[in-house]
Parts: sequence; C-alpha cells; structure tokens
Amino acid sequence: DAGVTQSPTHLIKTRGQQVTLRCSPKSGHDTVSWYQQALGQGPQFIFQYYEEEERQRGNFPDRFSGHQFPNYSSELNVNALLLGDSALYLCASSLGLGSNQPQHFGDGTRLSIL
Amino acid sequence: QQQVKQSPQSLIVQKGGISIINCAYENTAFDYFPWYQQFPGKGPALLIAIRPDVSEKKEGRFTISFNKSAKQFSLHIMDSQPGDSATYFCVLKGAGSYQLTFGKGTKLSVIP
Repeated sequence: DAGVTQSPTHLIKTRGQQVTLRCSPKSGHDTVSWYQQALGQGPQFIFQYYEEEERQRGNFPDRFSGHQFPNYSSELNVNALLLGDSALYLCASSLGLGSNQPQHFGDGTRLSIL
Repeated sequence: QQQVKQSPQSLIVQKGGISIINCAYENTAFDYFPWYQQFPGKGPALLIAIRPDVSEKKEGRFTISFNKSAKQFSLHIMDSQPGDSATYFCVLKGAGSYQLTFGKGTKLSVIP
C-alpha cells in the first residue's frame, strides 16, 4: 500500500526563481493538504485541495499556489522565491472532507533558497 | 498568533521512565486533538488522537489526557524506549475547518 510520495526530495533555488513541488496521495485518498515546516518548528498549513478546488487556505501570500489533478495528485507552486521560503514542504493526504479524517504525511521536499 | 503552546521544548528521559508533554490552547473552537510523531528526515505520523468529549484515551504505552475546562491536554508515554526518541507535536483542528494547527514540538530523547 503506497503511502504519500513527494518529489523531488531536495531542491536548491535562488531568490526570485519559481519552483513546483509534486505530491501523490496515499492510495484511496482524494484530499491533499500542503504544509511548510521551518527548521525547528511545527508544520504550518498552506492550503487544502479537494475535487480539484482549493477548499481552505492558511496565512500564506498569493505567491503560493496549487493545483489538484483528476487523479488526486497535487502540485505546489511558489513564485518569486525569498530566502524565508527555505523550509521542508510537506504534503498530507486524507479521505474526503470529513471533519476528523486522519491526515497522512509524506517525507517532504527540502527546499533551500540561496 | 500562536493558538497552541507546547512544553517542554526538549525532554530527556531514561529508558523505562514516563515522558510527559503538555499543551494548552487559547479558544474552544477546536474539535479534534491529534498527536503526531516525527523522526529526523521523515514526515509527521499520527500517533493518537482524542475528541473533546473524552477525558482520556489510551493506546498501548501512549495516553492522552484532556481537560476541556482548563483548555489543556497532555501526552504520557509509559515505559519510554530509545525507539521513542523523536519530536512530538500536539495538534488542533478547528471545528468546521480542515486545517491542522501544530504546536512547536517537543524533542524527546530516551537514554538507555
């Protein structure tokens, strides 16, 4: 049973560039959420996608955008990268929009901005 | 605005001892309280969760205690083992929300 997979595992970019991160949800899951985890901190919610629509968004600027595809996989796009965007980006999947559905996390993409 | 305060930031416990991590939150609009465990280089994994209408939940060596009136909840790890060494996050989910709000984490080290 495949869990949540994310690619790439590591990425190095420079300020001002754009980046796309990818996520395949756990088999059978249809909802994808993205989180940003700075070093030594807890993950912070970016947004959640269900039925190819953004359902909820955290306190992140419009430079952060996403997409969900018909096969439930998802992409996170970040434009005009800043040094402060350096973090571990985590994807989590769950089943439906049920209130207490457990979220399963991937191992993340480590993004470094130079 | 930090909605959940987690303590301690780090914890060292001897093998076989009890590890206790505490969390306090600031309002009552939450309906689900999971704890996540994260090993270095890995994503967080759900450990145990509780609803606010339950005061205690036990799964194996792990117990959540929940005090709704005090807006506090805690994780107890009995008979702590070196394999429990990880970072633990208390998490809140808002009622009617899909967002998980994480505490800052507690780094647990269990020494032999």
